[in-house]
Amino acid sequence: EVQLVESGGGLVQPGGSLRLSCPVSGFSLGSYWMSWVRQAPGKGLEWVANIKEDGSEQFYVDSVKGRFTISRDNAKNSLFLQLNSLRVEDTAVYYCARINWGPTGHFDRWGQGTLVTVSS
Amino acid sequence: DIQMTQSPSSLPASVGDRVTIACRASQTINTNVNWYQHKPGQAPKLLIYAASKLQGGVPSRFSGRGSGTDFTLTISSLQPEDFATYYCQQSHRTLGTWTFGQGTKVVIK
Repeated sequence: EVQLVESGGGLVQPGGSLRLSCPVSGFSLGSYWMSWVRQAPGKGLEWVANIKEDGSEQFYVDSVKGRFTISRDNAKNSLFLQLNSLRVEDTAVYYCARINWGPTGHFDRWGQGTLVTVSS
Repeated sequence: DIQMTQSPSSLPASVGDRVTIACRASQTINTNVNWYQHKPGQAPKLLIYAASKLQGGVPSRFSGRGSGTDFTLTISSLQPEDFATYYCQQSHRTLGTWTFGQGTKVVIK
């Protein structure tokens, strides 16, 4: 069974940092692009970042460029998101998602999400 | 960046209704559009990928159409479990940056 389980969320002050983790099981992480998607309270889904299978390239939404870093450890079957210089507007549930490229890119498996709250 | 504009933002409907949600891309994206269903407290669920392909396990009352800039998601006969928020999403591979529409909440009329 395919599983993605996010962890690492919590309460942090503005300007602070967090590292989210997403260990996966039931598939070989190294065969898939992966992604982070978030949903702020009362708002819609927002794509945050993608990373290629081998980690060689990453893509970010403009609002997090230079502050967030997506990474992966295929040997440990885990995806990560480092969140630095956090802002109140980064408060959201963060989901990790698997990308399937057949025949076009889509999120075919999702985790349950982890809540990040940025507040003083 | 490619913007995705969904309409309507709220859709009052009754069980058994045929409902259609529209999504327009700010530039042509071939068939690189997917549709998701999202309920509070749950993970989003893929319904349709590549504009018109039904994800495995999704009921056949869901269908998608479109190419280029205009896309639609149709539920042929709304069921009680279908009251949720629906999102379109573009996945332009060359640009590498993806976007969701702002969502359409299907509510009880």
